[in-house]
Amino acid sequence: RKEVEQDPGPFNVPEGATVAFNCTYSNSASQSFFWYRQDCRKEPKLLMSVYSSGNEDGRFTAQLNRASQYISLLIRDSKLSDSATYLCVVKEVTGGGNKLTFGTGTQLKVEL
Amino acid sequence: GAVVSQHPSWVICKSGTSVKIECRSLDFQATTMFWYRQFPKQSLMLMATSNEGSKATYEQGVEKDKFLINHASLTLSTLTVTSAHPEDSSFYICSASTLYSDEQYFGPGTRLTVT
Repeated sequence: RKEVEQDPGPFNVPEGATVAFNCTYSNSASQSFFWYRQDCRKEPKLLMSVYSSGNEDGRFTAQLNRASQYISLLIRDSKLSDSATYLCVVKEVTGGGNKLTFGTGTQLKVEL
Repeated sequence: GAVVSQHPSWVICKSGTSVKIECRSLDFQATTMFWYRQFPKQSLMLMATSNEGSKATYEQGVEKDKFLINHASLTLSTLTVTSAHPEDSSFYICSASTLYSDEQYFGPGTRLTVT
């Protein structure tokens, strides 16, 4: 079983749609959780952190369910510029320090 | 702030040669640097973690003699792919973090193609 699992998509949605992505993680000792955005052939960029209480940043809402080891990202009123791959990322504290484990990403394509 | 650069952006080399990739933190001191590799349609995989002035810690399955990492200063880490082969062709990305925050700042990546 992969440490961080995501549906690879692609999800093709019309502009203005609301779309949600899910992610599950296997290590119950994981400490912090993030969503990153990666554009084609570019480095990943932090989109938002994910907290148990849920958090919102503009059109983006992230939720964490520790009991189910499940993370979600909701994007409202999709824009063409939201087209990218969204990476679910889990941080663990190891002997070597903080380690980020990335999911394979979910590809989103927003169309006219 | 928190800008990380990587050079080169892309490189094409012949099988058997060695390639060095540089990762620099431009406006902060990076006590820890991380090297990742990403194959097409796959996730970023951590290769190694390096702390300034000490030997890198490699992830399971990553050959330390093939992927040489040097983190000699607080602003520079290098990854050398020795005796590169076509299967080493990948997107190599570094990230850096400081003593005061565990957020990782990513470089723009280096695309390596071995022919």
